Amino acid sequence: VLTQIPGTLSVSPGDSVTLSCRASQPVDDFIGWYLQRPGQVPRLLIYDASKRVDDIPARFSGSGSGTEFTLTISGLETDDFGTYYCQQRFDWPRTFGPGTRVEL
Amino acid sequence: EMKLLQSGGGLVQPGESVRLSCVGSGFTFSNFGLNWVRQAPGKGLQWVSGIDGFGQSAYYADFAEGRFIVSRDNSADTLFLEMNNLAVDDTATYHCVKVLPTGYYYDLWGQGTRVIV
Repeated sequence: VLTQIPGTLSVSPGDSVTLSCRASQPVDDFIGWYLQRPGQVPRLLIYDASKRVDDIPARFSGSGSGTEFTLTISGLETDDFGTYYCQQRFDWPRTFGPGTRVEL
Repeated sequence: EMKLLQSGGGLVQPGESVRLSCVGSGFTFSNFGLNWVRQAPGKGLQWVSGIDGFGQSAYYADFAEGRFIVSRDNSADTLFLEMNNLAVDDTATYHCVKVLPTGYYYDLWGQGTRVIV
């Protein structure tokens, strides 16, 4: 089970934001992060905890291992508002966290 | 440009069946595993099913086991999800997704197709 806290985060453009994802059991570094903007499909940002997908801006960074993971956005831009989900690929079934909504 | 274009879905009654399709383009379809992920209205993401590139190994979430069947036709670059004995709880937008080659994450998403039971 993946837990994401907080459920909602109110921020302003330019802020630096740290999102949390906690696994109920160790998942090595097999965590990915997605952003789902309102009305859009999710987009993969980070995989294997810290590897940034091609074309994802450097302001997105991931870290963690075991059960504690973070996604940091350094200098939030207006395109970054939406819901962030973590996902584990350590075990079956693949599961997602409940999401953290980042709002203005 | 890589794309996944979905069709199918709609309004069905409990107990009925529906078949979803997903056509890939812009990449070598048979080289990649494909999955289905669903999102109930206002809810989060839930993995449904997956199939390997050859179509020989299929995987299901517990709620889908025995009711859903995933398949693919690589000659037509098409992925399918046949859903049987549908229940109200299956109401969701279903996305086909392409598996990232370096790990079981999803780097390409179809636009989604809505199934209302």
